[in-house]
Amino acid sequence: SQQGEEDPQALSIQEGENATMNCSYKTSINNLQWYRQNSGRGLVHLILIRSNEREKHSGRLRVTLDTSKKSSSLLITASRAADTASYFCGGYQKVTFGTGTKLQVIP
Amino acid sequence: DARVTQTPRHKVTEMGQEVTMRCQPILGHNTVFWYRQTMMQGLELLAYFRNRAPLDDSGMPKDRFSAEMPDATLATLKIQPSEPRDSAVYFCASGLVNLETQYFGPGTRLLVL
Repeated sequence: SQQGEEDPQALSIQEGENATMNCSYKTSINNLQWYRQNSGRGLVHLILIRSNEREKHSGRLRVTLDTSKKSSSLLITASRAADTASYFCGGYQKVTFGTGTKLQVIP
Repeated sequence: DARVTQTPRHKVTEMGQEVTMRCQPILGHNTVFWYRQTMMQGLELLAYFRNRAPLDDSGMPKDRFSAEMPDATLATLKIQPSEPRDSAVYFCASGLVNLETQYFGPGTRLLVL
């Protein structure tokens, strides 16, 4: 297995702005998942996108997947202070978690 | 509301002591993961079980760490002897192999003095 690599490592935005995080990986995958971690807590599953999907939406979350480039992006629209957390891609067998993107949403 | 539980939540011990961390996966889940998280290394996968059998423990220091599943409702991670560099938050997660989503416990915060 290999780690997903999230980018950027840290992101600071104003409330109401959109936040975009990226993930790259090296092996072929069946799916890719995004998780959120609030400070001091375990990871919480946000969204799963399968290898035959290019885009998926869930509430204010939009995930894209480009298997040819082995990359994914997570977009959080209309961010809120409560979105402040670390975000990880990966999560199963072939792609383990990286170091995450630390998002700070300033009220 | 089914959850993964971990005990203890906090543990302070002295170097050389044995540490045992326990995890109760969500009932019916057939995969269990152990992770270690530190500021420097991020989230590292230590071991992965499917149907109680270890499938991957390549991330675990074998000389001092051991992971087992005595039964389907209990997973254990032991460190013997513990060292200060083992200080970290240890997370357990469980899931169903066909769904692939992992459900994390609250973690055990370990401090080895």
